[in-house]
Amino acid sequence: GENVEQHPSTLSVQEGDSAVIKCTYSDSASNYFPWYKQELGKGPQLIIDIRSNVGEKKDQRIAVTLNKTAKHFSLHITETQPEDSAVYFCAARLSDKLIFGTGTRLQVFP
Amino acid sequence: EPEVTQTPSHQVTQMGQEVILRCVPISNHLYFYWYRQILGQKVEFLVSFYNNEISEKSEIFDDQFSVERPDGSNFTLKIRSTKLEDSAMYFCASSEDANAGGYTFGSGTRLTVV
Repeated sequence: GENVEQHPSTLSVQEGDSAVIKCTYSDSASNYFPWYKQELGKGPQLIIDIRSNVGEKKDQRIAVTLNKTAKHFSLHITETQPEDSAVYFCAARLSDKLIFGTGTRLQVFP
Repeated sequence: EPEVTQTPSHQVTQMGQEVILRCVPISNHLYFYWYRQILGQKVEFLVSFYNNEISEKSEIFDDQFSVERPDGSNFTLKIRSTKLEDSAMYFCASSEDANAGGYTFGSGTRLTVV
């Protein structure tokens, strides 16, 4: 089955700096890679996603890159703000289910 | 913006009791899911449901678990005889199309088994 690894588990950055979170997946049949932001006591919220036929996608301060050959995908947040502080999960979709990474706790210090 | 609604937000139950967790998916969505998250851990897939039947389930989803869409709006997860290790956040999700991505998650039900 699919296995998704995520690094780092925690990430602290100064406000205004960039943050990068990396994930790898194992099953080359996975075709859709969303990123979720989870705030305390809430459900995962989709922030950006990428499909396997695209290498990069950007939405304002957030971008995602995908390297299908290496089975890597990464989340890039630029100009971080304190409200970006949350747990971020990557996921890979295989058939009809999402397999999540272990999460990254991002702290943005003012 | 359309939401997935889950009730209750918190459920405390005694070990061995049955619980039913309820979800109202987004109205035009056709694919429904349950995931769970044990405290401090990652979100884990339990089951997917389409066209009134289970399309896929994980090893976690054993005979103690069942899902149902009793009417046109609700989607429920039943745990027949709860165990301590069933304590977790349970998230319902829905999507318009299994290939379209864009799963929308509810805010979850925290289940505590004592």
